[in-house]
Amino acid sequence: EIVLTQSPDTLSLSPGERATLSCRASQSVSSYLAWYQQKPGQAPRLLIYDASNRAAGIPGRFSGSGSGTDFTLTISSLEPEDFAVYYCHQRSNWPPTFGQGTKVEI
Amino acid sequence: EVQLLESGGGLVQPGGSLRLSCAASGITFSSYAMNWVRQAPGKGLEWVSGISGGGDSTCYANSVRGRFTISRDNSKNTLYLQMHSLRAEDTAIYYCAKDSTIPRLIDYWGQGSLVTVSS
Repeated sequence: EIVLTQSPDTLSLSPGERATLSCRASQSVSSYLAWYQQKPGQAPRLLIYDASNRAAGIPGRFSGSGSGTDFTLTISSLEPEDFAVYYCHQRSNWPPTFGQGTKVEI
Repeated sequence: EVQLLESGGGLVQPGGSLRLSCAASGITFSSYAMNWVRQAPGKGLEWVSGISGGGDSTCYANSVRGRFTISRDNSKNTLYLQMHSLRAEDTAIYYCAKDSTIPRLIDYWGQGSLVTVSS
């Protein structure tokens, strides 16, 4: 199965700062990579699909890039509600897999 | 508005069985593949099982194959996960998750149902 490794495990930043999260796949997933946000006690929410497409209703400060094995989620200017755990997810190969998550904390 | 509401979780002894349900609303249920994804306490996400819109195609993670069965009743807009031979490592929040129109892309999740396997 494809292993997704996210870095860093934790990102400590302040509101207004830029966040850059990385996801590396153990083999190519083409552009079939998504990003989800999860807040404590809540279900995950789809942010980005197919590497760079924002899901409906997602603010423009969230952007995704990459292809093949290396992907990045960027939050251009952190809002207080953005502090959460972020997961990458590949649907290229069976079984679908998730990264271990990056926690963005204040 | 898409709503996915899980039920059926609880405490079960090792080796026991449990059936989870997920009631869907706000969508044409039979048009979408559905999934179960779980999250152990304090851990990440693990895809467990998926089923096609018509229910004729299913797939499972290796960790649950032969013990769990996914099914759906499109007349009741409900997804199920029958779990047998439960183990401590199956303890998790189980999320019902809907595919988008893009194959194998999950776009909506329920709030989850906690399954605890313990004696």
